[in-house]
Amino acid sequence: QKEVEQNSGPLSVPEGAIASLNCTYSDRGSQSFFWYRQYSGKSPELIMFIYSNGDKEDGRFTAQLNKASQYVSLLIRDSQPSDSATYLCAVNMGYGGSQGNLIFGKGTKLSVKP
Amino acid sequence: NAGVTQTPKFRILKIGQSMTLQCTQDMNHNYMYWYRQDPGMGLKLIYYSVGAGITDKGEVPNGYNVSRSTTEDFPLRLELAAPSQTSVYFCASSRTGRSSSDEQYFGPGTRLTVT
Repeated sequence: QKEVEQNSGPLSVPEGAIASLNCTYSDRGSQSFFWYRQYSGKSPELIMFIYSNGDKEDGRFTAQLNKASQYVSLLIRDSQPSDSATYLCAVNMGYGGSQGNLIFGKGTKLSVKP
Repeated sequence: NAGVTQTPKFRILKIGQSMTLQCTQDMNHNYMYWYRQDPGMGLKLIYYSVGAGITDKGEVPNGYNVSRSTTEDFPLRLELAAPSQTSVYFCASSRTGRSSSDEQYFGPGTRLTVT
């Protein structure tokens, strides 16, 4: 069973703090990793993807990947109330024709308090 | 570009009824997907397509059917609706599905209730 695990939260941080969101996955052969943000009642939108071990930064967001530990995280610096949303971790565990298929975690709900 | 569009936005079905959820994308993407999202849960893949005329099952295909006669359209058919199919349905598309960075673009969703 291919699984992606996330803490459901809610994770509450004060405005301006760093929010740390974590995700583990079961398939050691997984190739690429995505973080989606989903506002309540809306569709998911991509924030970042990462496929190499280490850190990848994009503005206030940093994705971290450790394939040996099967762990991926998302850091949000200088958190803003507008960052309040559910963050979905998705992992590409597909092979061949299903290479585009993603396995999603249940999401972590983030609340940034003013 | 409109991106990925879905109709209807909301629908209430009675048990045993059938319906088709429509999905259209105007980005000339080869890959298309149907997901369902139950409250407090992540997205589960129902069916996917790698191009016109080619479809395959995802993680939770039972009770659903799909077709892909054109690159743009990927309708999802519910036959004999059951309360367990109450969910939010998202359609998505990606350019190829073969790149480690290939983003999936999501439609706005269809909220379906079966009573």
